[in-house]
Amino acid sequence: SQKIEQNSEALNIQEGKTATLTCNYTNYSPAYLQWYRQDPGRGPVFLLLIRENEKEKRKERLKVTFDTTLKQSLFHITASQPADSATYLCALGASSASKIIFGSGTRLSIRP
Amino acid sequence: DAGVIQSPRHEVTEMGQEVTLRCKPISGHDYLFWYRQTMMRGLELLIYFNNNVPIDDSGMPEDRFSAKMPNASFSTLKIQPSEPRDSAVYFCASSLPGLASYNEQFFGPGTRLTVL
Repeated sequence: SQKIEQNSEALNIQEGKTATLTCNYTNYSPAYLQWYRQDPGRGPVFLLLIRENEKEKRKERLKVTFDTTLKQSLFHITASQPADSATYLCALGASSASKIIFGSGTRLSIRP
Repeated sequence: DAGVIQSPRHEVTEMGQEVTLRCKPISGHDYLFWYRQTMMRGLELLIYFNNNVPIDDSGMPEDRFSAKMPNASFSTLKIQPSEPRDSAVYFCASSLPGLASYNEQFFGPGTRLTVL
């Protein structure tokens, strides 16, 4: 069955460092991969989308890579700030489907 | 636009009672999704609609759950009868026309349901 795995443990990073979150998948061939941010008590908020034919996408301090051979996406936050503390979810979508499947999320904490 | 609107924000009910959750998607969005989020199972898709028509309800846990979308601006998720294991946060999301797996989804604030 389709499986999406994100860092199972919470990630604690010193402010200013680069945070790297991992999203691995099996039994799936996604055409798109999305990353969302979720703060406590709120709904997820879209951050970035990367297509299967794109290796890397950047948006301000965010960078996403997508390796279809390794079946993995990496999500980087450079120059991390305490305000980046949240749970980050990856979601995969197929080109023929109209729904996306979410991973369980990684809780990121940036300490001052 | 006010974004996706959900009501109520919190619902506490007793086992066996009927629960109705409501959602108003963003105007112009023709996809609407209902999700359930728990610590154990994460964010699960229950059902989604396109142009008010249910497309995929394979995530609906059982017959106690039902969803409707009578028009483009309103959807309901009903649980009857409710059980303690239904306790979760229920999110509604909408997205623009086109391939939904490509378009970003806009989530509402969620309804936190507690069934005693």
